[in-house]
Amino acid sequence: AQTVTQSQPEMSVQEAETVTLSCTYDTSESDYYLFWYKQPPSRQMILVIRQEAYKQQNATENRFSVNFQKAAKSFSLKISDSQLGDAAMYFCAYFSYSGGGADGLTFGKGTHLIIQP
Amino acid sequence: DTAVSQTPKYLVTQMGNDKSIKCEQNLGHDTMYWYKQDSKKFLKIMFSYNNKELIINETVPNRFSPKSPDKAHLNLHINSLELGDSAVYFCASSPGPYRTNYGYTFGSGTRLTVV
Repeated sequence: AQTVTQSQPEMSVQEAETVTLSCTYDTSESDYYLFWYKQPPSRQMILVIRQEAYKQQNATENRFSVNFQKAAKSFSLKISDSQLGDAAMYFCAYFSYSGGGADGLTFGKGTHLIIQP
Repeated sequence: DTAVSQTPKYLVTQMGNDKSIKCEQNLGHDTMYWYKQDSKKFLKIMFSYNNKELIINETVPNRFSPKSPDKAHLNLHINSLELGDSAVYFCASSPGPYRTNYGYTFGSGTRLTVV
C-alpha cells in the first residue's frame, strides 16, 4: 500500500515570509497524482494544488507552488508571502490508478501551519 | 448551492445509541466516500461507493453501515455507539474511481461526540 509521510507536525512562519511544507511518499507506480489540501479551523477541506506525476513542470497556484522531485518521491509545498488566512492544517495526498483507482486518496498525517503576525 | 452537504454538522449522543449521518452531492459525481478524521487529525478512508455499489470497505467495525439509495446520496449509520467513535466524519465525492485524478470535493464534516 502507498504511504504518505509529512515529517513536520507543526511549522511556524512570520506573516509575509515564505514557508515550505514537506511531503514524501512511497509508491512503485510511475503514473500518479499528488495533492495538497488545506483544512482551516472551519474544518472544511480545500484543495490547494495538484500535480500530475508525468508532468515535470511544478504546479503553481498564485502564492502556492510545489517542488516535485519524482526520483526522490518528494512533493513539498511552498507558500510565499504568508497571510494570516493561511493558518491551517495542510495535508499531502496521493492517488494512483493501481487497483482500478479503488483505493481513493491516501493522506499524510498533516502539518499544522501557524502564521505569526 | 453546496456541492457536497452533510447533516448534521454536530452530533452529541450517548454510548449505545444508534445514529445516522447523511451526505448528498449535486455535482453529478459517480463516486462517494466516507473518511474518519481522528483526534490527531489523521484521515482514513472507511467506505467508497461507485454508482450505488460498494467498492471500498476498509476494516471498520460492522457497527458502521453505509447506505447509498442513489448515486447522489451516501449515508452512514452507526449502531451501538462507543466512546472511540468520537471523531469528525467527512463525506467526499469524485467523478468516478477512475477519475479521482482531480481529487475530491469534501463536505464540511460531521463532528460526532459520544458521551
